Amino acid sequence: DTGVSQNPRHKITKRGQNVTFRCDPISEHNRLYWYRQTLGQGPEFLTYFQNEAQLEKSRLLSDRFSAERPKGSFSTLEIQRTEQGDSAMYLCASSPQVRGLGYGYTFGSGTRLTVV
Amino acid sequence: SQQGEEDPQALSIQEGENATMNCSYKTSINNLQWYRQNSGRGLVHLILIRSNEREKHSGRLRVTLDTSKKSSSLLITASRAADTASYFCATGQTGANNLFFGTGTRLTVIP
Repeated sequence: DTGVSQNPRHKITKRGQNVTFRCDPISEHNRLYWYRQTLGQGPEFLTYFQNEAQLEKSRLLSDRFSAERPKGSFSTLEIQRTEQGDSAMYLCASSPQVRGLGYGYTFGSGTRLTVV
Repeated sequence: SQQGEEDPQALSIQEGENATMNCSYKTSINNLQWYRQNSGRGLVHLILIRSNEREKHSGRLRVTLDTSKKSSSLLITASRAADTASYFCATGQTGANNLFFGTGTRLTVIP
């Protein structure tokens, strides 16, 4: 297992089109997170899965955004009817679940979305 | 929303000098973590300090945590050009399942 993998690395799309990103976490990690990062800012939380269950969604995640993790392994993030404001780096991270202790996240390299 | 704030926003030092970055946060935490991000890449976990710890070391890194002041600092000793990156603090808040990241400090180490 070489870490968290995200595909594609870059995506350029026209406004109004739908896009889908994929994240393959570390196989032993049952927690998976999606974050969004714009230039000069820190990552902002979007959503969180524990196994296949989506347990939390940020208010940033509008109705145009949907995420799945169908078998508790890889995850997809879809953005429908993209807008220019969706342009950002989309980061996926995974971590093991150890109750009450907290663990560091392993991040993927991200998918950079540009909406033109 | 982002909960932490790093200070300074940008820092430029000569190779071999020490670099200190500070992080302040607002809520009760279980742990605080520091990450590094090279330009256009994902974040790399550096170190985690739990709320009942006051100081932690890892190689050239030293992290302190003062929960009474809701602040943390990251010290990088004997800096190298390869340390040039953005550094983020992230808080694991009580009752939350995700990390909240700060705005970052951009560190430039001049060879």
